[in-house]
Amino acid sequence: DAGITQSPRHKVTETGTPVTLRCHQTENHRYMYWYRQDPGHGLRLIHYSYGVKDTDKGEVSDGYSVSRSKTEDFLLTLESATSSQTSVYFCAIAQGGRDYGYTFGSGTRLTVV
Amino acid sequence: KQEVTQIPAALSVPEGENLVLNCSFTDSAIYNLQWFRQDPGKGLTSLLLIQSSQREQTSGRLNASLDKSSGRSTLYIAASQPGDSATYLCAVRPRDNYGQNFVFGPGTRLSVLP
Repeated sequence: DAGITQSPRHKVTETGTPVTLRCHQTENHRYMYWYRQDPGHGLRLIHYSYGVKDTDKGEVSDGYSVSRSKTEDFLLTLESATSSQTSVYFCAIAQGGRDYGYTFGSGTRLTVV
Repeated sequence: KQEVTQIPAALSVPEGENLVLNCSFTDSAIYNLQWFRQDPGKGLTSLLLIQSSQREQTSGRLNASLDKSSGRSTLYIAASQPGDSATYLCAVRPRDNYGQNFVFGPGTRLSVLP
């Protein structure tokens, strides 16, 4: 892969607990994104970042927060996990500019019980 | 709001056939369009990226075309193989999106039978 890793790869957590997922890149790309993928809904954008400390909401941001204190790391936090947040979470990076596409991480499978 | 659709939702073909996957988008104001492949339980792998000024891109047995004015793209797979079995997604980057976010289609699930 193009220097993007997600951790953990799998996690099972209990309802009401906070959870943090990590996305790490070695490409020095400006843009980073968090998506969730669910059957019947496809890929939906949760939050994205356009630089260190610069983040914005996507279409399904309720119940999630993000932080980006370094170019290479983008953290997604589920403040109080619910069963509806059981999903596969993907991080993506983009270099920026109109000519560039996305590169995706391998995903984190999160189960909230 | 940009919407992306893909037809068919699923496709099953015998090995060796040439096939076409379709992607449609509602707003022609895009910067580019990207095709991805996703294997079960895996992440998305980029196949081809077509800029709005381009008509097509080729990589090996894959050829993607773009007709921006009609809001359509096709992914052509020549001489299909069982290893091509996967879900194929297209995504467009709208011009009016300052976050540079792609909008994804729901995907076409392809099965190539030996």
